[in-house]
Amino acid sequence: EPEVTQTPSHQVTQMGQEVILRCVPISNHLYFYWYRQILGQKVEFLVSFYNNEISEKSEIFDDQFSVERPDGSNFTLKIRSTKLEDSAMYFCASKLAGGQETQYFGPGTRLLVL
Amino acid sequence: GENVEQHPSTLSVQEGDSAVIKCTYSDSASNYFPWYKQELGKGPQLIIDIRSNVGEKKDQRIAVTLNKTAKHFSLHITETQPEDSAVYFCAAWGNAGNMLTFGGGTRLMVKP
Repeated sequence: EPEVTQTPSHQVTQMGQEVILRCVPISNHLYFYWYRQILGQKVEFLVSFYNNEISEKSEIFDDQFSVERPDGSNFTLKIRSTKLEDSAMYFCASKLAGGQETQYFGPGTRLLVL
Repeated sequence: GENVEQHPSTLSVQEGDSAVIKCTYSDSASNYFPWYKQELGKGPQLIIDIRSNVGEKKDQRIAVTLNKTAKHFSLHITETQPEDSAVYFCAAWGNAGNMLTFGGGTRLMVKP
């Protein structure tokens, strides 16, 4: 069964450093998402991406964040200058079409900012 | 924007008993309600979903009910097994935003 994959599974970085989290969505999917989950808290929406542009973003997704689909398979989340409060699990998700379609989540990247 | 509340935050049941998790949502335009199971160290996995034109949906031991008037939906797990132990999240999708809004999660513990 096709699945969303994410790399790395864990990332430790120093405050102020840039990190890039990578995702490979399910191959025929058209809509891509990033969510984050701070330890013990709910999953929070960050950004949605369709047709090579951001379609929606939350208040969390400020100027320090960016997303890119550099080729036909990868979808990346970049944090330019990490802060301690960026420490969280970051989940990528994808879905086939718009509207009431199932979003499939990847296993996540655990980011720890020291 | 949408707000989803989920109760209880923790739930402990004996193996074989039923478990019920409830969620309420605020946006009457929301029309799709998935439930995800998250095991330790893994991403959320869809277990069942319901669309607003349906009041109930079943898949073996799992069922979901939706009351659009009251804006709440519930997950029912019957004959619980230890492997059902996980964190369960409800979510709502509305036309107002291209995103899922999640509830706070329920940690279900099934005691053998």
